[in-house]
Amino acid sequence: DTGVSQNPRHKITKRGQNVTFRCDPISEHNRLYWYRQTLGQGPEFLTYFQNEAQLEKSRLLSDRFSAERPKGSFSTLEIQRTEQGDSAMYLCASSPSLNAFFGQGTRLTVV
Amino acid sequence: KQEVTQIPAALSVPEGENLVLNCSFTDSAIYNLQWFRQDPGKGLTSLLLIQSSQREQTSGRLNASLDKSSGRSTLYIAASQPGDSATYLCALTADSSYKLIFGSGTRLLVRP
Repeated sequence: DTGVSQNPRHKITKRGQNVTFRCDPISEHNRLYWYRQTLGQGPEFLTYFQNEAQLEKSRLLSDRFSAERPKGSFSTLEIQRTEQGDSAMYLCASSPSLNAFFGQGTRLTVV
Repeated sequence: KQEVTQIPAALSVPEGENLVLNCSFTDSAIYNLQWFRQDPGKGLTSLLLIQSSQREQTSGRLNASLDKSSGRSTLYIAASQPGDSATYLCALTADSSYKLIFGSGTRLLVRP
């Protein structure tokens, strides 16, 4: 399967712990996006990479959040000192141009 | 600020019915508009993409239309089937980043 891959699929963590998610985009897609989705809502944009450059960050992305895309390949999203309000589905998408292809998401539960 | 609204939030129809899902947006300066399907607990699957210069796109039983001047898009599903049950999300891009701005979705249930 050459689709967008996200790991882990589920993560339960205690409040205050750090977590890291990984996204492997479709190869040769130069654009990569992270979104967050809470129950009953549409996804909200977090950040965007073109190749290895992080070109835009939403105001939703507080100082506790950091994302990287070394060498323009896979990407990681880290949340430090997790809070209960961080509980959500974190979605990654990659795109060659117009169309966006989404992964299955990582569901984070902070207890 | 661009806002996307989807009405209704939920819809239940008997199998075989034709149906229309609505999406409205506040700023007509868009690059393109996409309709996605999302099954519970899963990621998003792109159904149709309409570029700003286009009026509609069709794929099988699905037809999506775009009217930028009125800030509206519709997704028409013909001869609905239970397998169509899912949440349908409308999203648009409004700048060269092509980041998506989503509505809250319409949760569709097609009853056998």
